[in-house]
Amino acid sequence: DGGITQSPKYLFRKEGQNVTLSCEQNLNHDAMYWYRQDPGQGLRLIYYSQIVNDFQKGDIAEGYSVSREKKESFPLTVTSAQKNPTAFYLCASLPPGQTLKETQYFGPGTRLLVL
Amino acid sequence: AQSVTQPDIHITVSEGASLELRCNYSYGATPYLFWYVQSPGQGLQLLLKYFSGDTLVQGIKGFEAEFKRSQSSFNLRKPSVHWSDAAEYFCAVGPFGNAGNMLTFGGGTRLMVKP
Repeated sequence: DGGITQSPKYLFRKEGQNVTLSCEQNLNHDAMYWYRQDPGQGLRLIYYSQIVNDFQKGDIAEGYSVSREKKESFPLTVTSAQKNPTAFYLCASLPPGQTLKETQYFGPGTRLLVL
Repeated sequence: AQSVTQPDIHITVSEGASLELRCNYSYGATPYLFWYVQSPGQGLQLLLKYFSGDTLVQGIKGFEAEFKRSQSSFNLRKPSVHWSDAAEYFCAVGPFGNAGNMLTFGGGTRLMVKP
């Protein structure tokens, strides 16, 4: 079955630690996105990538980094510079053509907690 | 700047009652409009979308939404709510940004269904 997988489901971060959230898709989608979800604030865009080896900052990129070395993978690193990382992180992708008339597919999410 | 407002953070309805979730947007032109549903700890699932044409759109699970240009609204409706509809609902608009394919989400409305 095609889809988007995110791992782990829960992730704990210690003070000053960098952690990496995985996002993998086997849908052959070009564009991939990372969103952060906080209660009552909806989803906010962190980073997005339209093609391999290219990515752009979203609205709240500070304290985060990404890479797009493979079409299938778009990992997100939450760095120690992100002072309030506790949130639910969602990865999404768009089919080829990159038009919003297509459906944006979402992964099941990773909940990040700070110890 | 574009924005999306979902005025109701929480809504409680009785099973079998009708439902209307409000969504207002601020944008200079007619955007693409979406409604997503999220079950606890899960990703987002697309309910319906509007791009052009008939302003009343039908979606999955018996939901529909009506685009009203004069009111900059895209309210979600269901004539008879089922207990399984309890979830969080997000309105989203797009495209925005240089990529032309990003979404802006509202803060969400959490729906609770009374037996």
